[in-house]
Amino acid sequence: NAGVMQNPRHLVRRRGQEARLRCSPMKGHSHVYWYRQLPEEGLKFMVYLQKENIIDESGMPKERFSAEFPKEGPSILRIQQVVRGDSAAYFCASSPNRVLNEKLFFGSGTQLSVL
Amino acid sequence: GESVGLHLPTLSVQEGDNSIINCAYSNSASDYFIWYKQESGKGPQFIIDIRSNMDKRQGQRVTVLLNKTVKHLSLQIAATQPGDSAVYFCAENMVGGGTSYGKLTFGQGTILTVHP
Repeated sequence: NAGVMQNPRHLVRRRGQEARLRCSPMKGHSHVYWYRQLPEEGLKFMVYLQKENIIDESGMPKERFSAEFPKEGPSILRIQQVVRGDSAAYFCASSPNRVLNEKLFFGSGTQLSVL
Repeated sequence: GESVGLHLPTLSVQEGDNSIINCAYSNSASDYFIWYKQESGKGPQFIIDIRSNMDKRQGQRVTVLLNKTVKHLSLQIAATQPGDSAVYFCAENMVGGGTSYGKLTFGQGTILTVHP
């Protein structure tokens, strides 16, 4: 049973370009979370999605950032018109249900570098 | 605002020693706490959790202690091994506050280095 898969592992963009980060949850998991980690900091919650629904996006910046989790395919975190401050590691986590317990599994992250 | 923080950013120990990593939290409404281990280039990995109705919980070579009076959490690792070298994060959640899903507040992290 493969874990949470994120791609690409590394993404380099120039200022003003778009970044698309993908996350395939573990098999059987329909709940996905996105977190952002700046250098030497802890992870910061961005958004919580279930299939086709955004449940909690309280951690998402108001502009340029969007997330989706379609009925088919991976979850996508999209950052439009990237700026240098968007450079960070973006982690996806998935769980089989809504209830929080130790069954929250993280992927290995996508390191976004904005030049 | 509410936050979770750590006292020590780095900790160096010798192999075989016991390690203690500390965490202070400020949100008295938090009722669920988790310790994660993050190795270089990887995502956080669950170590152990504890709910606020408990003071202590033990796992394999790890123990978590919770002191709600002073809002303090600690992770004890027994007989530390080189493979334990990583960044350790505490995280909190308010299960009883309606956010029973995986919306966690993470601390800054402690770098644990174990010398052979």
